[in-house]
Amino acid sequence: EAGVTQFPSHSVIEKGQTVTLRCDPISGHDNLYWYRRVMGKEIKFLLHFVKESKQDESGMPNNRFLAERTGGTYSTLKVQPAELEDSGVYFCASTGPPYNEQFFGPGTRLTVL
Amino acid sequence: GEDVEQSLFLSVREGDSSVINCTYTDSSSTYLYWYKQEPGAGLQLLTYIFSNMDMKQDQRLTVLLNKKDKHLSLRIADTQTGDSAIYFCAESIGVQAGTALIFGKGTTLSVSS
Repeated sequence: EAGVTQFPSHSVIEKGQTVTLRCDPISGHDNLYWYRRVMGKEIKFLLHFVKESKQDESGMPNNRFLAERTGGTYSTLKVQPAELEDSGVYFCASTGPPYNEQFFGPGTRLTVL
Repeated sequence: GEDVEQSLFLSVREGDSSVINCTYTDSSSTYLYWYKQEPGAGLQLLTYIFSNMDMKQDQRLTVLLNKKDKHLSLRIADTQTGDSAIYFCAESIGVQAGTALIFGKGTTLSVSS
């Protein structure tokens, strides 16, 4: 069974540009999460989808971040315009019944110069 | 507030036991988790413990939970060089299934031969 996949694995962009990250959850998982780890700090929750609906987006830093999950399958996280402090590793996770384990993807390392 | 604290570094010799400690604040957490991140890889779930348990053992791993003190520990017996990684403690937010996780900053375990 394929795990959670994320694309790209690395992205280097300049301040002010736009970047879109993609996450493909494990097939059949209705819950999808985005997290971010800024270097040396904790992994912080960004938002949580149940199918295509945003269940909790309390962790989104500001309105430069837009997450979508059209059709309840894969999800995208767009940062527009990117700022220096957005640099970090963005992790995606998914879970299905019985919901006691979140499976994480390898992460996308975003560097904003 | 919600906060998970871990020591940042631990250095042990091969064959010794490693103990990584964590404190958390949300007494309503249902599950507590230990994740491992090897260099360049995603987060791998090592083990988790349900909040009504005191201990869980899985091969070389022993998890101890002191709910009164909100203290969680991970003991790795006979530590090997392949155990070198970052270990993250995490708690689930609240009691509903599928809720997001709160992570600590991670403990970097260094195993020398």
